[in-house]
Amino acid sequence: EDQVTQSPEALRLQEGESSSLNCSYTVSGLRGLFWYRQDPGKGPEFLFTLYSAGEEKEKERLKATLTKKESFLHITAPKPEDSATYLCAVQMKWAPPSGGGADGLTFGKGTHLIIQP
Amino acid sequence: GAVVSQHPSRVICKSGTSVKIECRSLDFQATTMFWYRQFPKQSLMLMATSNEGSKATYEQGVEKDKFLINHASLTLSTLTVTSAHPEDSSFYICSASGLAGAYEQYFGPGTRLTVT
Repeated sequence: EDQVTQSPEALRLQEGESSSLNCSYTVSGLRGLFWYRQDPGKGPEFLFTLYSAGEEKEKERLKATLTKKESFLHITAPKPEDSATYLCAVQMKWAPPSGGGADGLTFGKGTHLIIQP
Repeated sequence: GAVVSQHPSRVICKSGTSVKIECRSLDFQATTMFWYRQFPKQSLMLMATSNEGSKATYEQGVEKDKFLINHASLTLSTLTVTSAHPEDSSFYICSASGLAGAYEQYFGPGTRLTVT
């Protein structure tokens, strides 16, 4: 069964304290891995897409990396406004045997990040 | 770019009634739209995938006769929750893809449904 596991579930950092969030996945045929940010009561905001092992993408204080088994979201010198839940999701190359669509995203449970001033 | 809207943002309805939620891509043509559901402190779960002009593909365990999806144009999809019950209370979020042929999905702000 395809799975996406994020760790830690929650993380509290001081402003300026860098850290990394982990997303490990087991899927049969990865098309892409996505990172989103979600604020309370809102829809996810797109951050990055990674397609192949070794790929890296950066945006401001965030950097996402991908291996064959996991992805990391590195946050450098975070600020309080970076506080949010960070979601990792995978998209498969083909539809699962149980039915359904191939293009939908399978999400992890997220990492709730709190940056204290 | 890549803005998706949803309407309404919140709705309260009585058990047994139907509720329609609209999802629109405002600045691009969405070849595919998706509907997700998120229960409190849980992650998003895909309910169905819809392509413009075709029948939706539902995920295992999602009742297609209860959650009616219409994707009549490249910018509009609707989800109708029929004969809603309290257990249908949830945060419903749509997403759209099709921007420049990329696989990214852009999400709407969500609709909070409360069934009393």
